[in-house]
Amino acid sequence: DVKVTQSSRYLVKRTGEKVFLECVQDMDHENMFWYRQDPGLGLRLIYFSYDVKMKEKGDIPEGYSVSREKKERFSLILESASTNQTSMYLCASVASGYQETQYFGPGTRLLVL
Amino acid sequence: GNSVTQMEGPVTLSEEAFLTINCTYTATGYPSLFWYVQYPGEGLQLLLKATKADDKGSNKGFEATYRKETTSFHLEKGSVQVSDSAVYFCALSDDPGANSKLTFGKGITLSVRP
Repeated sequence: DVKVTQSSRYLVKRTGEKVFLECVQDMDHENMFWYRQDPGLGLRLIYFSYDVKMKEKGDIPEGYSVSREKKERFSLILESASTNQTSMYLCASVASGYQETQYFGPGTRLLVL
Repeated sequence: GNSVTQMEGPVTLSEEAFLTINCTYTATGYPSLFWYVQYPGEGLQLLLKATKADDKGSNKGFEATYRKETTSFHLEKGSVQVSDSAVYFCALSDDPGANSKLTFGKGITLSVRP
Protein backbone atom coordinates (compact mmCIF):
# COMPACT_ATOMS: atom_id res chain seq x y z
CA ASP A 1 0.00 0.00 0.00
CA VAL A 2 1.17 3.48 -0.86
CA LYS A 3 1.66 5.62 2.17
CA VAL A 4 1.84 9.39 2.22
CA THR A 5 2.41 10.91 5.63
CA GLN A 6 2.32 14.50 6.77
CA SER A 7 4.24 15.75 9.77
CA SER A 8 1.31 17.22 11.67
CA ARG A 9 -2.46 16.81 11.65
CA TYR A 10 -3.08 20.11 13.41
CA LEU A 11 -0.87 23.16 13.71
CA VAL A 12 -1.38 26.57 15.32
CA LYS A 13 1.01 29.37 14.42
CA ARG A 14 1.20 33.10 14.87
CA THR A 15 1.20 35.72 12.12
CA GLY A 16 4.70 36.28 10.79
CA GLU A 17 6.08 32.92 11.85
CA LYS A 18 7.92 30.69 9.39
CA VAL A 19 6.02 27.43 9.01
CA PHE A 20 7.27 24.12 7.65
CA LEU A 21 4.90 21.39 6.51
CA GLU A 22 6.55 18.07 5.72
CA CYS A 23 5.33 15.30 3.48
CA VAL A 24 6.90 11.88 3.00
CA GLN A 25 5.92 9.11 0.58
CA ASP A 26 7.22 5.57 0.56
CA MET A 27 6.56 4.46 -3.01
CA ASP A 28 9.45 6.08 -4.87
CA HIS A 29 7.08 8.38 -6.75
CA GLU A 30 8.62 11.03 -8.95
CA ASN A 31 5.85 13.59 -8.62
CA MET A 32 4.68 15.29 -5.45
CA PHE A 33 2.10 18.01 -4.92
CA TRP A 34 0.93 20.48 -2.31
CA TYR A 35 -2.69 21.63 -2.31
CA ARG A 36 -4.76 23.72 -0.03
CA GLN A 37 -8.40 22.91 0.56
CA ASP A 38 -10.92 25.57 1.49
CA PRO A 39 -14.70 25.33 1.77
CA GLY A 40 -16.40 26.23 -1.48
CA LEU A 41 -13.11 26.39 -3.36
CA GLY A 42 -12.15 22.74 -3.53
CA LEU A 43 -8.49 21.85 -3.92
CA ARG A 44 -6.08 24.38 -5.34
CA LEU A 45 -2.56 23.48 -6.38
CA ILE A 46 0.17 25.46 -4.66
CA TYR A 47 3.37 23.83 -5.97
CA PHE A 48 4.45 20.54 -7.41
CA SER A 49 7.73 18.78 -7.98
CA TYR A 50 8.55 16.19 -10.63
CA ASP A 51 12.03 15.34 -9.45
CA VAL A 52 14.53 16.04 -6.72
CA LYS A 53 15.38 19.75 -6.58
CA MET A 54 12.79 20.47 -9.28
CA LYS A 55 9.68 22.51 -8.62
CA GLU A 56 6.96 24.27 -10.50
CA LYS A 57 4.39 26.80 -9.42
CA GLY A 58 0.79 25.77 -9.28
CA ASP A 59 -2.22 28.01 -9.34
CA ILE A 60 -1.67 29.84 -6.03
CA PRO A 61 2.05 29.91 -5.18
CA GLU A 62 2.14 33.39 -3.63
CA GLY A 63 3.31 33.34 -0.03
CA TYR A 64 4.64 29.79 -0.28
CA SER A 65 7.86 28.07 -1.23
CA VAL A 66 8.85 24.41 -1.42
CA SER A 67 11.86 22.20 -1.05
CA ARG A 68 12.59 18.75 -2.45
CA GLU A 69 16.06 17.62 -1.40
CA LYS A 70 15.21 13.92 -1.36
CA LYS A 71 12.86 12.00 -3.60
CA GLU A 72 10.60 10.85 -0.78
CA ARG A 73 10.21 14.21 0.95
CA PHE A 74 8.48 17.39 -0.18
CA SER A 75 8.28 20.37 2.15
CA LEU A 76 5.96 23.35 1.98
CA ILE A 77 7.22 26.53 3.58
CA LEU A 78 5.19 29.54 4.59
CA GLU A 79 7.87 32.23 4.80
CA SER A 80 5.78 34.58 6.93
CA ALA A 81 2.45 33.08 7.88
CA SER A 82 -0.66 35.21 7.50
CA THR A 83 -4.22 34.65 8.66
CA ASN A 84 -5.41 34.08 5.09
CA GLN A 85 -3.19 31.00 4.99
CA THR A 86 -5.38 29.30 7.58
CA SER A 87 -6.47 26.22 5.68
CA MET A 88 -6.24 22.47 5.24
CA TYR A 89 -3.04 21.49 3.42
CA LEU A 90 -2.91 18.24 1.51
CA CYS A 91 0.12 16.54 0.06
CA ALA A 92 -0.08 14.01 -2.75
CA SER A 93 2.31 11.84 -4.71
CA VAL A 94 2.03 9.94 -7.96
CA ALA A 95 4.23 7.89 -10.22
CA SER A 96 5.10 9.31 -13.62
CA GLY A 97 2.63 8.47 -16.34
CA TYR A 98 -0.50 9.73 -17.99
CA GLN A 99 -3.14 7.83 -16.10
CA GLU A 100 -1.62 7.28 -12.72
CA THR A 101 -3.51 7.78 -9.49
CA GLN A 102 -2.54 10.47 -7.03
CA TYR A 103 -2.24 9.29 -3.42
CA PHE A 104 -2.99 11.76 -0.67
CA GLY A 105 -1.79 12.25 2.85
CA PRO A 106 -4.26 12.83 5.72
CA GLY A 107 -3.85 16.60 5.62
CA THR A 108 -2.57 19.26 8.00
CA ARG A 109 -5.10 21.70 9.37
CA LEU A 110 -3.21 24.97 9.93
CA LEU A 111 -4.57 27.83 11.98
CA VAL A 112 -2.71 31.13 11.82
CA LEU A 113 -3.60 33.53 14.61
CA GLY B 1 -7.60 25.82 -19.80
CA ASN B 2 -8.98 22.80 -18.04
CA SER B 3 -11.88 23.02 -15.64
CA VAL B 4 -14.24 20.76 -13.74
CA THR B 5 -17.72 21.79 -12.68
CA GLN B 6 -19.65 19.93 -10.02
CA MET B 7 -23.24 20.42 -8.99
CA GLU B 8 -23.86 22.64 -6.01
CA GLY B 9 -24.19 21.03 -2.62
CA PRO B 10 -24.58 19.90 0.01
CA VAL B 11 -26.69 16.84 -0.68
CA THR B 12 -28.66 15.05 2.03
CA LEU B 13 -30.25 11.67 1.34
CA SER B 14 -31.93 8.94 3.30
CA GLU B 15 -30.28 5.54 3.49
CA GLU B 16 -30.98 3.35 0.42
CA ALA B 17 -31.81 6.35 -1.77
CA PHE B 18 -30.42 6.69 -5.29
CA LEU B 19 -27.49 9.05 -5.69
CA THR B 20 -26.42 11.12 -8.67
CA ILE B 21 -23.67 13.72 -8.45
CA ASN B 22 -23.15 15.66 -11.66
CA CYS B 23 -19.74 16.50 -13.05
CA THR B 24 -18.89 18.17 -16.35
CA TYR B 25 -15.51 19.14 -17.66
CA THR B 26 -13.65 21.29 -20.13
CA ALA B 27 -10.33 20.05 -21.45
CA THR B 28 -8.13 20.67 -24.44
CA GLY B 29 -7.10 17.08 -25.00
CA TYR B 30 -8.40 13.65 -24.10
CA PRO B 31 -8.41 13.63 -20.33
CA SER B 32 -8.59 10.84 -17.82
CA LEU B 33 -11.40 11.38 -15.33
CA PHE B 34 -11.48 10.59 -11.64
CA TRP B 35 -13.75 10.63 -8.63
CA TYR B 36 -12.03 11.06 -5.29
CA VAL B 37 -13.71 10.74 -1.90
CA GLN B 38 -12.74 12.36 1.38
CA TYR B 39 -14.15 10.79 4.53
CA PRO B 40 -14.36 12.96 7.66
CA GLY B 41 -10.93 13.75 9.06
CA GLU B 42 -9.04 12.02 6.26
CA GLY B 43 -7.22 12.85 3.06
CA LEU B 44 -8.60 12.12 -0.40
CA GLN B 45 -8.66 8.63 -1.82
CA LEU B 46 -9.43 7.45 -5.30
CA LEU B 47 -12.95 6.11 -5.69
CA LEU B 48 -12.92 5.30 -9.40
CA LYS B 49 -11.51 6.44 -12.71
CA ALA B 50 -12.02 6.19 -16.46
CA THR B 51 -9.33 6.81 -19.00
CA LYS B 52 -11.17 7.00 -22.33
CA ALA B 53 -14.57 7.74 -23.81
CA ASP B 54 -17.36 5.29 -22.93
CA ASP B 55 -15.28 3.68 -20.17
CA LYS B 56 -17.17 2.99 -16.97
CA GLY B 57 -15.37 3.21 -13.66
CA SER B 58 -16.85 1.39 -10.69
CA ASN B 59 -16.00 0.74 -7.05
CA LYS B 60 -17.92 0.13 -3.80
CA GLY B 61 -21.25 0.26 -5.65
CA PHE B 62 -20.45 3.61 -7.26
CA GLU B 63 -20.30 4.01 -11.04
CA ALA B 64 -19.45 6.75 -13.50
CA THR B 65 -19.32 6.66 -17.29
CA TYR B 66 -17.01 8.83 -19.36
CA ARG B 67 -19.29 10.64 -21.82
CA LYS B 68 -17.24 12.53 -24.36
CA GLU B 69 -20.27 13.84 -26.29
CA THR B 70 -21.65 15.58 -23.20
CA THR B 71 -18.24 16.09 -21.51
CA SER B 72 -19.62 14.55 -18.35
CA PHE B 73 -18.64 12.00 -15.71
CA HIS B 74 -21.62 11.78 -13.37
CA LEU B 75 -21.30 9.66 -10.23
CA GLU B 76 -24.14 7.28 -9.36
CA LYS B 77 -24.98 4.76 -6.68
CA GLY B 78 -28.16 2.76 -6.49
CA SER B 79 -28.51 2.59 -2.73
CA VAL B 80 -26.46 4.84 -0.47
CA GLN B 81 -25.42 3.96 3.06
CA VAL B 82 -24.65 6.12 6.08
CA SER B 83 -21.00 5.20 5.61
CA ASP B 84 -21.02 6.96 2.21
CA SER B 85 -21.26 10.32 3.96
CA ALA B 86 -18.21 12.19 2.70
CA VAL B 87 -17.01 14.89 0.34
CA TYR B 88 -16.79 13.85 -3.31
CA PHE B 89 -14.44 15.46 -5.81
CA CYS B 90 -14.47 15.08 -9.57
CA ALA B 91 -11.10 15.60 -11.26
CA LEU B 92 -9.39 15.34 -14.61
CA SER B 93 -5.87 14.75 -15.81
CA ASP B 94 -5.06 16.19 -19.18
CA ASP B 95 -1.30 16.20 -18.91
CA PRO B 96 0.35 14.36 -21.79
CA GLY B 97 3.65 14.58 -20.00
CA ALA B 98 4.80 12.80 -16.93
CA ASN B 99 3.54 15.09 -14.20
CA SER B 100 0.03 13.66 -13.74
CA LYS B 101 -1.39 17.00 -12.65
CA LEU B 102 -5.04 17.00 -11.67
CA THR B 103 -7.70 19.68 -11.99
CA PHE B 104 -10.35 19.32 -9.29
CA GLY B 105 -13.93 20.41 -9.00
CA LYS B 106 -15.03 22.20 -5.84
CA GLY B 107 -16.33 19.07 -4.18
CA ILE B 108 -19.75 18.25 -2.84
CA THR B 109 -20.67 17.10 0.64
CA LEU B 110 -22.98 14.11 0.88
CA SER B 111 -24.79 13.34 4.11
CA VAL B 112 -26.79 10.13 4.39
CA ARG B 113 -29.40 9.86 7.14
CA PRO B 114 -30.25 6.50 8.75
